[in-house]
Amino acid sequence: DAGVIQSPRHEVTEMGQEVTLRCKPISGHDYLFWYRQTMMRGLELLIYFNNNVPIDDSGMPEDRFSAKMPNASFSTLKIQPSEPRDSAVYFCASLGDRDRTEAFFGQGTRLTVV
Amino acid sequence: KQEVTQIPAALSVPEGENLVLNCSFTDSAIYNLQWFRQDPGKGLTSLLLIQSSQREQTSGRLNASLDKSSGRSTLYIAASQPGDSATYLCAVNDYKLSFGAGTTVTVRA
Repeated sequence: DAGVIQSPRHEVTEMGQEVTLRCKPISGHDYLFWYRQTMMRGLELLIYFNNNVPIDDSGMPEDRFSAKMPNASFSTLKIQPSEPRDSAVYFCASLGDRDRTEAFFGQGTRLTVV
Repeated sequence: KQEVTQIPAALSVPEGENLVLNCSFTDSAIYNLQWFRQDPGKGLTSLLLIQSSQREQTSGRLNASLDKSSGRSTLYIAASQPGDSATYLCAVNDYKLSFGAGTTVTVRA
């Protein structure tokens, strides 16, 4: 397996624009996590899915953020409209068996909102 | 809510010295704990997974201990090398993955 794949790797957009980040988890993994990392706040969990169902979205900062997982091999995180304070690195991670296996992370998407 | 703390925040040692990184967590009802390494501008690389039923896990120069009852884990890196310079994060797996802020390690040649 190629691991967790995120796209794009870098995104620069203007304030007010819609941004969509994409993630392909490792095949067979039942859990998918979206994190945001900044220098000030470290790694923050935004939302996680189990078997494509959102389980905990309490970390989603505002209604401008939304996430979907239409099938087991694809998830999106959307920000609409984007703001400069959304600039961060966004990571996706997947996990197989919750109590026995490791979580694996994608390389992240570096988002800059100008 | 699970709180994960890593001490120290930063560490600088000469090459060859052993490293001791600490992680503490507030809720002991966990499935497992995972240690990651992050290089600047990169993603997170898994180093070790230690199950809640285990006391210790080893991989090469790395050794992680877990004391679930006291909410502590320690990562030991033996005979440090400049290539070990990175940020090390611990993640506690309860019903979600909760991370500490990390320890940034610099190994001086």
